[in-house]
Amino acid sequence: SQQGEEDPQALSIQEGENATMNCSYKTSINNLQWYRQNSGRGLVHLILIRSNEREKHSGRLRVTLDTSKKSSSLLITASRAADTASYFCATDRGSTLGRLYFGRGTQLTVWP
Amino acid sequence: SQTIHQWPATLVQPVGSPLSLECTVEGTSNPNLYWYRQAAGRGLQLLFYSVGIGQISSEVPQNLSASRPQDRQFILSSKKLLLSDSGFYLCAWSGGYNEQFFGPGTRLTVL
Repeated sequence: SQQGEEDPQALSIQEGENATMNCSYKTSINNLQWYRQNSGRGLVHLILIRSNEREKHSGRLRVTLDTSKKSSSLLITASRAADTASYFCATDRGSTLGRLYFGRGTQLTVWP
Repeated sequence: SQTIHQWPATLVQPVGSPLSLECTVEGTSNPNLYWYRQAAGRGLQLLFYSVGIGQISSEVPQNLSASRPQDRQFILSSKKLLLSDSGFYLCAWSGGYNEQFFGPGTRLTVL
């Protein structure tokens, strides 16, 4: 079963706008990760946030984590057409064995 | 630098035929290796993971098996494919329990 549940399932915005995607999960975690997938390609790691962190930044990406609500958000600021992709959150379900469990993803479309 | 290869890139196979997908990693030693399947428009389902040669753990019962004959080689197999085995198969490696690095994937269509 899917560990993460991203919402919205699809998001369509104009270039320059901000895009916010959310992820909820059900178990304890050591860390939560966000990945990006261009159509028909492999996934690319974007950012990892540990359970004792509340916010993390990487370039135009901002990730928050609320372990009390078991939720995370990914914000992409000043979006570009090249940001069009599917975005997935993944958790380790508290395991240290390296396994990841992915959500169904949010399909982001950025119109020029 | 590390790279991960998968082949073939696409595959069309009849129901009941065997399957062998290969994944190899370069530039790292003793990686954790993973096989995922992604159905159309869906998230990734973890199928198998391996922490060392000959050490394979299965996440879900299914028609597939995996083997790790060498440190940096991971093979996904089936003796008889089912229609439901169609999907996008992704191999990934990690150095521990941090980020995973994915290969380009294999698109499998079972007819």
